[in-house]
Amino acid sequence: QAGLTQPPSVSKGLRQTATLTCTGDSNSVGDQGATWLQQHQGHPPRLLSYRENNRPSGISERFSASRSGNTASLTITGLQPEDEADYYCSAWDSSLSAWVFGGGTKLTVL
Amino acid sequence: EVQLVESGGGLVQPGGSLRLSCAASGFTFNNYWMNWVRQAPGKGLEWVANINQDGSDIYYVDSVKGRFTISRDNAKNSVYLQMNSLRGEDTAIYYCMGASFDYWGQGTLVTVSS
Repeated sequence: QAGLTQPPSVSKGLRQTATLTCTGDSNSVGDQGATWLQQHQGHPPRLLSYRENNRPSGISERFSASRSGNTASLTITGLQPEDEADYYCSAWDSSLSAWVFGGGTKLTVL
Repeated sequence: EVQLVESGGGLVQPGGSLRLSCAASGFTFNNYWMNWVRQAPGKGLEWVANINQDGSDIYYVDSVKGRFTISRDNAKNSVYLQMNSLRGEDTAIYYCMGASFDYWGQGTLVTVSS
């Protein structure tokens, strides 16, 4: 099944801003937006943002999501060492009737 | 406190079967879709299956159709994944995930190897 496209890695400096992208198509990201997850090594994923920019309670305002057409973005401002993690996007694909994931982006905070 | 606790993982030979269980607590279980998501060693996340609140709506990723069956028991606040005809590529940590990605268990490791 077709997945979403994410860059494998992004590196940014401490206190800088990182923007991670996730590209799908009109049946997935372009239809209902993307969900963003953060995963630290050895831990289960954690929800950051659900479809467009619905941020769960407890998630820092430094994390914000947006979408333009078939591409979703997660912007992380004021990067901190604890932001170093793998970030995954996901979307419901209405043509497949399945959730699809991106391959993940490894964010390194320099 | 929301908890999802998976069990049932282990080592199984190719062609074998396993049944995973996920016990939920701390939220109104029968209000939510439930999912299984897996992660092969060193790889990304892959959604496996989901089931709606009363079990009448179920979806699977193509690679497990006909081999895996998801089910739930709302009286026991539990969701299950029956896995048959297991293959090496099914080796992964299997996570139980609830609601709209809000709730995750710690995962249970399934290893398919002879």
